[in-house]
Order: sequence, then C-alpha cells, then structure tokens
Amino acid sequence: EDQVTQSPEALRLQEGESSSLNCSYTVSGLRGLFWYRQDPGKGPEFLFTLYSAGEEKEKERLKATLTKKESFLHITAPKPEDSATYLCAVQATWIMNRDDKIIFGKGTRLHILP
Amino acid sequence: GAVVSQHPSWVICKSGTSVKIECRSLDFQATTMFWYRQFPKQSLMLMATSNEGSKATYEQGVEKDKFLINHASLTLSTLTVTSAHPEDSSFYICSARTLEAYEQYFGPGTRLTVT
Repeated sequence: EDQVTQSPEALRLQEGESSSLNCSYTVSGLRGLFWYRQDPGKGPEFLFTLYSAGEEKEKERLKATLTKKESFLHITAPKPEDSATYLCAVQATWIMNRDDKIIFGKGTRLHILP
Repeated sequence: GAVVSQHPSWVICKSGTSVKIECRSLDFQATTMFWYRQFPKQSLMLMATSNEGSKATYEQGVEKDKFLINHASLTLSTLTVTSAHPEDSSFYICSARTLEAYEQYFGPGTRLTVT
C-alpha cells in the first residue's frame, strides 16, 4: 500500500538552530513529491515539487532534497516566523482514472523559539 | 500566480440547513479541483476529486448525496453540504491544479460550524 510517513511529529528548536524534517514514502511509482507549509487555520502553502532522486530545491532558509525512498526538508538558521506545520505529499503513478490523487503525510509541527 | 480563493472563510448554520462553499482559481484554469476536510491537529482528508464538466469522484466513505460537488467551469467548483449536522462541523479546504503540472494549490479554507 502506498504510504507517506513524516518524522518527527513535532519539533521545537531555538532560533538559529538548524535541523531537518524527514518524509519517507512507499509508492509504486513516483511522479512527484511535494512540500507544503500550513499555518493554523489556513490552507497549505505550496513550497516545492521534487521529481527525481538527487534533485534539490531551495527557498530562503528551506532546502528540500529527494532520494529514492525519502525526502528531507532542511531548515537553516530558522526564525520564529518559520513556525508552522510542514506537510509532505506524493503523487504516485496510479491507474489512469485515479492518477490525480496525492497522498499526504501527517505533517511535522515545527516551533521555533525566539 | 496560482492563487485559489474560497468563500466564505467561515460560516455558522443550523442543523438541517444546507451550506454552499465556493472555490475559485483566480489566475489559472483548473482542470481538476479537490475538496479536503481537516480535523484539528490532523492531516488533510481527501473527500472528492472533480474535473471540469464531469461528475465528481468521491473517496470511500464520503456520502455523495450529502456533499454535492459541482465543477461548472475551469475556475469554479462548489461544495454544498446538505442537511448539515453538528458532526459535519470541520475545516473544508479546496485545491486546484492545471493539466500541465502535478502540484496542487490550496485555498485558505472554510470553517463550518453547525449548531
């Protein structure tokens, strides 16, 4: 069964303390892996799409990487405004009439202390 | 670019009434739109997928007669919660994608409270 697992569930860091969030996935065929940021009471905000192992993408203090089994979201010198829930999702190669579905992980709640 | 809006942002209704939520892609044409439900501190739960001009595809366990979805144009999808009950109270979020890309862009969500 296709699955996406994120770890840790929650992470508290001091401002400036770099760390990484993990997203491991098991899918029959990967079309794309997505990272989103979600603030409380709001819809997810798109961050990155990664398509193949070895690919990396950066945006400000965030850097996403992808291997054949997992993705990491590296946060460098985080600030309190980086506090949010980070969601990982994958789009698998489904049978034709279901190929729009993406599978979400449960997210990592990140809290950056000033 | 890739902005999705939802209206209303929050709504309170009485048990037994119906509520309509609109989802619009403002600066792109959305061939496919999705409706999710999210409970506090939980991840997104896909309710249904809709393609413009076609009937929506509902996930297992989602009542199609209760959650009516219409995707009448490439920029508008609506979710109508019929005969709402308190257990339907939740955060409803829509998303949209184009034919060319896989990523989904999400709306800000609608908080529904049924009293």
